[in-house]
Amino acid sequence: NAGVTQTPKFQVLKTGQSMTLQCAQDMNHEYMSWYRQDPGMGLRLIHYSVGAGITDQGEVPNGYNVSRSTTEDFPLRLLSAAPSQTSVYFCASSYSTGGLQETQYFGPGTRLLVL
Amino acid sequence: DAKTTQPPSMDCAEGRAANLPCNHSTISGNEYVYWYRQIHSQGPQYIIHGLKNNETNEMASLIITEDRKSSTLILPHATLRDTAVYYCIELYGGSQGNLIFGKGTKLSVKP
Repeated sequence: NAGVTQTPKFQVLKTGQSMTLQCAQDMNHEYMSWYRQDPGMGLRLIHYSVGAGITDQGEVPNGYNVSRSTTEDFPLRLLSAAPSQTSVYFCASSYSTGGLQETQYFGPGTRLLVL
Repeated sequence: DAKTTQPPSMDCAEGRAANLPCNHSTISGNEYVYWYRQIHSQGPQYIIHGLKNNETNEMASLIITEDRKSSTLILPHATLRDTAVYYCIELYGGSQGNLIFGKGTKLSVKP
């Protein structure tokens, strides 16, 4: 299994540009999520999904859209990039959508710089 | 906001046990204690979790006090590769898995 994969590894954007960060997992996990991590800080939840066709907002959803058309993929879209969105973005997945939370597996991250 | 409290940094000599404390004084009966670590800006990695009893796996041991208000993660023989930020997280058993990360403890293992 490749686990959780993220592309691209690094991206530079200009203010106002849009882009999609890709996340895929091959473990048949129901739950997937996106976090951002700013320098010296812990991770903050942006959006999450408990299964295909179902998404919900996390702690810091503004400026980001998500969709979940398949179990494997959970892309994160920046509609109009702002310098405040400069961060490292992590995608994660796990089996459980309720009850005892299973271990979450994290991808390697995408480093985004917005100029 | 994270509900756990951890020291910002700790040092440990290579080969010695690393004991990382965590306070979770407001933890409820249904909340588990999870530990993750993040090595040099990589994605966080699961270590261990527990509810009431002490737990051990191939990576670490977790000691939870009887009143469940604090816990200690033990790396029995720390190596240089264990240098990382360690996060202690409370998680409700039916919470859909939304981990709330604090700033964690930066553990530096020194030769």
